[in-house]
Amino acid sequence: KAGVTQTPRYLIKTRGQQVTLSCSPISGHRSVSWYQQTPGQGLQFLFEYFSETQRNKGNFPGRFSGRQFSNSRSEMNVSTLELGDSALYLCASSEGTDTQYFGPGTRLTVL
Amino acid sequence: DQQVKQNSPSLSVQEGRISILNCDYTNSMFDYFLWYKKYPAEGPTFLISISSIKDKNEDGRFTVFLNKSAKHLSLHIVPSQPGDSAVYFCAANAGGTSYGKLTFGQGTILTVHP
Repeated sequence: KAGVTQTPRYLIKTRGQQVTLSCSPISGHRSVSWYQQTPGQGLQFLFEYFSETQRNKGNFPGRFSGRQFSNSRSEMNVSTLELGDSALYLCASSEGTDTQYFGPGTRLTVL
Repeated sequence: DQQVKQNSPSLSVQEGRISILNCDYTNSMFDYFLWYKKYPAEGPTFLISISSIKDKNEDGRFTVFLNKSAKHLSLHIVPSQPGDSAVYFCAANAGGTSYGKLTFGQGTILTVHP
């Protein structure tokens, strides 16, 4: 099976803009989770979608949102970008009750 | 409130020896524990996991031990190889509908010297 894919791999935006990141899970996986990795905060959970419904949510402001489509593909959106949003954004998929498998990540730089 | 802690930022080991990476947790609701290996600017790669109903799980050179009473788990790599050099993260979730929400430790940088 193909692994988790994320697009784009690299992105540069300016403060105040918005951005949409995409994640395609492993075939058959219904759960998609998103994480943010920064040098200061480490790997932090953003949210999880399971069968098109948000099942879990982390402690991030409302500027961070996501959705999942009927084919399990997921997108996350960050509005009104801030410098502190510069990070590696990781997507992971699972069958919903076990191990999560991660994609390569999207490196977002906010100038 | 750091619920998963890896107190050793780095570990250096000679090739062929055992590497032992440690992880402590505080949340008694955690039910499932995982170890991931990560290179810079890449996604974490799953290594091994353990459910709270077990105290040991083995997969090739990797063994994870869980001590629930001490809220402590460890990853043993035997024998260590230079290709094992990476950042290792332990992670945990509370099971049930929370399987999709992993809480990570801060990571331990493992360096295996030839």
